[in-house]
Amino acid sequence: QVQLVQSGAEVKKPGASVKVSCKASGYTFTDYYIHWVRQAPGQGLQWLGWINPNSGDTNYAQTFQGRVTLTRDTSISTAYMDLSTLRSDDTAVYYCARHEWGWGATDYWGQGTLVTVSS
Amino acid sequence: DIVMTQTPLSSPVTLGQSASISCRSSQSLVHRDGNTYLSWLQQRPGQPPRLLIYKISKRVSGVPDRFSGSGAGTDFTLKISRVESEDVGVYYCMQAIQFPHTFGQGTKLEIK
Repeated sequence: QVQLVQSGAEVKKPGASVKVSCKASGYTFTDYYIHWVRQAPGQGLQWLGWINPNSGDTNYAQTFQGRVTLTRDTSISTAYMDLSTLRSDDTAVYYCARHEWGWGATDYWGQGTLVTVSS
Repeated sequence: DIVMTQTPLSSPVTLGQSASISCRSSQSLVHRDGNTYLSWLQQRPGQPPRLLIYKISKRVSGVPDRFSGSGAGTDFTLKISRVESEDVGVYYCMQAIQFPHTFGQGTKLEIK
């Protein structure tokens, strides 16, 4: 069965960086884009960007341009989200999700990784 | 960016009754390929979002047929018939015709 398993919770200080991993299993990793979405406490969903695991091509939301970097390691079917220059309002649960292009929808989601930014 | 507006933001429903959630986009969600990339997700408390419906009305395998989607262009509706306790959570619409993908604010479904 398709699974996306993310790395554990992180606590970071303002100005630091965080790297969250997302390990895929149950399907061919390079066949589906991976999207990243975050959710601040008690808030809605915000899209960060996507990576094409096959080519490594990426697309980022303008809001996060210059601060977010998406990468992947196809040898271990893992995608990564790196967010730099952290601020307190980056405190959120970060999700990776598989995108089914023909559906125009994200059909499988990771369990989420809580990133807390606090001095 | 395409703005997605959901109403209501909260929907108290009696078990066994129906609930409807509206989602309006700031521009048409019809892609040049002819498809309309509007999906609905459910987020139960403490859980990640779960895809229910894609391309307006196509139910994901395993989703009860009590869930149905409809609409066109800029106006869409998710209907939940015969609401059950397991339906409690927040429902989001999402557009995927343009980057950044954007979500509605979410509608909280609760039992009266």
